[in-house]
Amino acid sequence: AQSVTQLGSHVSVSEGALVLLRCNYSSSVPPYLFWYVQYPNQGLQLLLKYTTGATLVKGINGFEAEFKKSETSFHLTKPSAHMSDAAEYFCAVMNYGGSQGNLIFGKGTKLSVKP
Amino acid sequence: DAGVIQSPRHEVTEMGQEVTLRCKPISGHDYLFWYRQTMMRGLELLIYFNNNVPIDDSGMPEDRFSAKMPNASFSTLKIQPSEPRDSAVYFCASSSIQGALNYGYTFGSGTRLTVV
Repeated sequence: AQSVTQLGSHVSVSEGALVLLRCNYSSSVPPYLFWYVQYPNQGLQLLLKYTTGATLVKGINGFEAEFKKSETSFHLTKPSAHMSDAAEYFCAVMNYGGSQGNLIFGKGTKLSVKP
Repeated sequence: DAGVIQSPRHEVTEMGQEVTLRCKPISGHDYLFWYRQTMMRGLELLIYFNNNVPIDDSGMPEDRFSAKMPNASFSTLKIQPSEPRDSAVYFCASSSIQGALNYGYTFGSGTRLTVV
């Protein structure tokens, strides 16, 4: 069975500092991996995804993530945090074999950005 | 497209009452998902449909929960009778096969349910 583990339910950074949100996955097949962002009182919005090809993927708002098969990781980074990045971030894995299956989400990491 | 539309945005009800949550997926999407979000359990998949047919309802917590998709543009999630532990944010999401692989799912804004 596939699963996702996000390390740290809360991360706090200063404005301008590096953002690093950790995600490790478990999958018996090559995974499709996603990062979503949820702003307060809103639904989830896709930040970026990895399917095949280049292991470093870029998303919206300056975020990027690197797929590392050897480490079973898909950590999300942003070089310089902005106040508007404060939100909750979810890592997810999808099973694409057979029927569509579904997205399995991690428990989320709440990012706070201090001025 | 207006995106995935959920109603109501907020629902407060008394324990024991029936609650119906509604969802209109994006036109042309043939998959529809219902998720529940709580602090304790995070995001949980309750059920999903393909071409209006329920495919996997193993996440539905109890018989008190039921979901229907009578046509491609409408789905309901019903809780009867409701209990305080059902309080959560319920999300509906939709996708097409290729869309899911390329863009993930499109989520609605959610319904915040409070059972008192």
